[in-house]
Amino acid sequence: QSVLTQPPSVSGAPGQRVTISCTGSSSNIGAGYDVHWYQQLPGTAPKLLIYADNNRPSGVPDRFSGSKSATSVSLAITGLQAEDEADYYCQSYDISLSGWVFGGGTKLTVL
Amino acid sequence: QVHLQESGPGLVKPSQTLSLTCTVSGGSITSGSYYWTWIRQPAGKGLEWIGRIFPSGSTNYNPSLKGRVTISVDTSKNQFSLKLSSVTAADTAVYYCARVGKLRAFDIWGQGTMVTVSS
Repeated sequence: QSVLTQPPSVSGAPGQRVTISCTGSSSNIGAGYDVHWYQQLPGTAPKLLIYADNNRPSGVPDRFSGSKSATSVSLAITGLQAEDEADYYCQSYDISLSGWVFGGGTKLTVL
Repeated sequence: QVHLQESGPGLVKPSQTLSLTCTVSGGSITSGSYYWTWIRQPAGKGLEWIGRIFPSGSTNYNPSLKGRVTISVDTSKNQFSLKLSSVTAADTAVYYCARVGKLRAFDIWGQGTMVTVSS
């Protein structure tokens, strides 16, 4: 059972927009800790996609964006492409565990 | 460009100690305010943070691993290491080393190494 909750799967057709939610609690997201998103293509290591809620590292297309509310955050992907098919993970810090925590991951299928 | 590479045995017997090393190249392990971390991923499952070390030697571990974890650093070799004791089949996973950089996120990852716990 992951500390951060994500939907197991989402799907969309090429060109569409999808969102992936990540819900936490008052000991992590609700406490104001940054949330980061990672993309894991099949058979590869995760790659940092969004950091500090809504910032993109150099080289990440602006089709990817993050947003945040009180205790949940979302990753949005617009203009879906076949190459976006991957697993996506949110991650934050949890003060009660004194450590970093991940969501369970969301598998994105491009139809 | 900093690069991380995991190394170590791919097969460990139950009750023994899993030992892995992460070699940092393209930069010094002591430069900047970076944490060096270990993360694992069982086949078909999600990511689990194992622990972290600061170059000074300060460590933090995932409480779920119940004192079985030790992370150490060898600055002379630009490496940091993971030891996980009393392993069981549940410890079978791909183990990644990663850096927490100025973005306060896992910004650089190794390619991962598969460790199987089996007799």
